[in-house]
Amino acid sequence: QKEVEQDPGPLSVPEGAIVSLNCTYSNSAFQYFMWYRQYSRKGPELLMYTYSSGNKEDGRFTAQVDKSSKYISLFIRDSQPSDSATYLCAIFDEGATNKLIFGTGTLLAVQP
Amino acid sequence: DGGITQSPKYLFRKEGQNVTLSCEQNLNHDAMYWYRQDPGQGLRLIYYSQIVNDFQKGDIAEGYSVSREKKESFPLTVTSAQKNPTAFYLCASRDRGLYGANVLTFGAGSRLTVL
Repeated sequence: QKEVEQDPGPLSVPEGAIVSLNCTYSNSAFQYFMWYRQYSRKGPELLMYTYSSGNKEDGRFTAQVDKSSKYISLFIRDSQPSDSATYLCAIFDEGATNKLIFGTGTLLAVQP
Repeated sequence: DGGITQSPKYLFRKEGQNVTLSCEQNLNHDAMYWYRQDPGQGLRLIYYSQIVNDFQKGDIAEGYSVSREKKESFPLTVTSAQKNPTAFYLCASRDRGLYGANVLTFGAGSRLTVL
C-alpha cells in the first residue's frame, strides 16, 4: 500500500463550481498535512498546511484533515480558470527520514 | 528576493553523458532536497541533505550523485548509469514554519531530455 494515495484525475469543472480534492494515507502517526499547487512547467507552491485534525480556511480554499479516517481534503469554492493546475497533497514524515511524501497529484481544469 | 534558483531550465543530453543540475538557495535553510517528477507518478525523492557535508539517499538514488559543500548549494549529477533520466527535476529546501510545520520551498525546476 502506498503511503499517500491521490486520485490523478483529470478533473474538469465549470467556473464557479465547488471542487473537492482528496487523499488517503496509511500511517496514523502523521501529523503535518499540506497541499501544493503546481502550474504547468513550474515548481510546486505551498497552498495550505494543517497540523493534526481539523479545518483550515484561507479565502476560497479550505483544507480538512480527518485523522480517524486517514483522509485529507482540499475544497475550492467559486473556482476560477486561474485555479487550473495540478494539486498535490503532501505529508511530512517526522520520523527518521524527515521527508515530505507526495501524492501523485490531481490535474484540475476550470472551464470559463 | 529570497528563493531557490535552478539552472539550467532546459537541458538536452546525449546518452552516456553525465550532466549536473544546479540548485542555489538564499533562504538560509539547512535542509535541501532533490525530487524527480514524471507524468502520473508524482514527486519521487532522489537525495536529501539535512546539513552541510551530509546527505542521504532517497527512494530512487540509483544513477544520481550529489554534494553539499556549502549551505546554499546542492548540485545534482545525473550519471550515465541512470537508465531513464528524461524527467522534470525539482530542488527544494526546508524551513520550520509556524506551529512547527515543516514546509518545503521549491525551485522552478529543470527539464532534462536525453536524446
